[in-house]
Amino acid sequence: ETGVTQSPTHLIKTRGQQVTLRCSSQSGHNTVSWYQQALGQGPQFIFQYYREEENGRGNFPPRFSGLQFPNYSSELNVNALELDDSALYLCASSWPGDEQFFGPGTRLTVL
Amino acid sequence: QQQVKQSPQSLIVQKGGISIINCAYENTAFDYFPWYQQFPGKGPALLIAIRPDVSEKKEGRFTISFNKSAKQFSLHIMDSQPGDSATYFCAASKSGSARQLTFGSGTQLTVLP
Repeated sequence: ETGVTQSPTHLIKTRGQQVTLRCSSQSGHNTVSWYQQALGQGPQFIFQYYREEENGRGNFPPRFSGLQFPNYSSELNVNALELDDSALYLCASSWPGDEQFFGPGTRLTVL
Repeated sequence: QQQVKQSPQSLIVQKGGISIINCAYENTAFDYFPWYQQFPGKGPALLIAIRPDVSEKKEGRFTISFNKSAKQFSLHIMDSQPGDSATYFCAASKSGSARQLTFGSGTQLTVLP
């Protein structure tokens, strides 16, 4: 097991709502990256947090935001949900620039 | 645009055969090329990775071949087993603290018993 945990496992929301997804990094890792994986596609980088600061962002709108806490766990927040936000959201933890270990993901369905 | 193109989309191989998955990239700044394996309901798991200073890397039954001039790399799975049936993703990234992985679209491998 990689040690990265995510909650919840599954989530159903309606369009326009807000959602918060959570990730606990593997012990000792201070960097967390978030990815969105649409059905049948490869993961797409959303952003990365290092020591509680955003450290890189992919091509996602500002309604995707995040936090990292002093214990290096992290949250992904998505406001004003759209149907296209339905996806598997993956969290990966690592040391900076090192191999990323992925969690099992949170499956978000937007109706 | 930073893209990684992966083929084939799906692959069916007999047990004991060789599975070959190909990827091509555009950004010459990429210097780290990992392959991930993903089972249904699980997150991607790193299989093997290569840097452009070598042309081949082997770990057990898995081999990465890398062609820097062609900007292509491939995964070879020797002696494929039914347990290898999964989705495989190639990826690429640049050096730096924010190792942003750019993934291919995935290959669904089925190994027939």
